[in-house]
Amino acid sequence: AQSVTQLGSHVSVSEGALVLLRCNYSSSVPPYLFWYVQYPNQGLQLLLKYTTGATLVKGINGFEAEFKKSETSFHLTKPSAHMSDAAEYFCAVRWGNNFNKFYFGSGTKLNVKP
Amino acid sequence: EPEVTQTPSHQVTQMGQEVILRCVPISNHLYFYWYRQILGQKVEFLVSFYNNEISEKSEIFDDQFSVERPDGSNFTLKIRSTKLEDSAMYFCASSEAGAPNEKLFFGSGTQLSVL
Repeated sequence: AQSVTQLGSHVSVSEGALVLLRCNYSSSVPPYLFWYVQYPNQGLQLLLKYTTGATLVKGINGFEAEFKKSETSFHLTKPSAHMSDAAEYFCAVRWGNNFNKFYFGSGTKLNVKP
Repeated sequence: EPEVTQTPSHQVTQMGQEVILRCVPISNHLYFYWYRQILGQKVEFLVSFYNNEISEKSEIFDDQFSVERPDGSNFTLKIRSTKLEDSAMYFCASSEAGAPNEKLFFGSGTQLSVL
């Protein structure tokens, strides 16, 4: 079965520290991978996506993610957290054989401490 | 950047009542979607819509749910007889085409509370 798992429903980091949000998927077909962010009272906004080509993908606001096929992972990182990064982050996967829908992870709430 | 707009932002209704959630997708988009997120749970796919018909629906999308594109701009989700378990944040989304590598543009959601 195809699924998406985000480890850690809450992550707390200090301002300036590394941000690492984990996402793993299970699938036997190549995935299309996305990270979305949801700020309070707002919709889901695309941070970055991986489709084909370079496995290290850069997104908005200094975030990047690396697709590791051998580990079936697509972890999101940012070298230095900013207070404005506090939000909920969702990993989402789309598969080429069923591209009508996204499978979302359960989300990770990022808290940034001053 | 263009936006998907949803109204209302909050909807409170009594169990058994009908509700209509409204969405205005981005104007040149052709594919439309509804997702929902029950508090503390994953964002779940409900339905996709293309060329004036449902292209796929999940097991959640039973006979109590329906979607409609009544004119050239609106995309609505109707729940005929709401249940307590329908309480959730409902997100509308749209995309220009249906390619798997294409991103979806999401609205800010309608928080539905069924009492």
